[in-house]
Amino acid sequence: DAGVIQSPRHEVTEMGQEVTLRCKPISGHDYLFWYRQTMMRGLELLIYFNNNVPIDDSGMPEDRFSAKMPNASFSTLKIQPSEPRDSAVYFCASRLRENQPQHFGDGTRLSIL
Amino acid sequence: RKEVEQDPGPFNVPEGATVAFNCTYSNSASQSFFWYRQDCRKEPKLLMSVYSSGNEDGRFTAQLNRASQYISLLIRDSKLSDSATYLCVVTPSGTYKYIFGTGTRLKVLA
Repeated sequence: DAGVIQSPRHEVTEMGQEVTLRCKPISGHDYLFWYRQTMMRGLELLIYFNNNVPIDDSGMPEDRFSAKMPNASFSTLKIQPSEPRDSAVYFCASRLRENQPQHFGDGTRLSIL
Repeated sequence: RKEVEQDPGPFNVPEGATVAFNCTYSNSASQSFFWYRQDCRKEPKLLMSVYSSGNEDGRFTAQLNRASQYISLLIRDSKLSDSATYLCVVTPSGTYKYIFGTGTRLKVLA
């Protein structure tokens, strides 16, 4: 069975550039989550969707971050313009329904120079 | 006070030892609890859910103490392959989002 698929695996870019991270959830899962992980702050929830609708975006750091889920099999997290402090590992996770465990993708390791 | 707190460790234990981690949470109405395992430079993976009555999966035992607001993970007969960071997860009541602890690092030594 295919798990959560994220791309790219690694991204290195200069500050000020636009960055787009992509996620394909497990087929049939109703929930999709975007997280950011750093040494200092651990795993932080940025936003989550239920049936393609954003439910809680209170974790999105600022207006430079945006996320979309145009259909049940695809989501993007965009940073524009990017800054060095955005450097982190970004994980996408999906879940079948409420109270079920989440399953994580391999993550995107983002470095902003 | 953080919503979910864990001792960061590291816990260095010899092979075959028994080791236990605790995780405290601040929201008394939290409804779901999990332990995840994360290896270095990898994604978190579900280790086990935590049920009110406690549950066991092989060498791993998870318990929930709602009165004291903590969950625990016990690992018996630890293996070298158990070396990882163990993340406690709590779901606050009324939401379906995870709150992660910062993780407890375990090193099992030969």
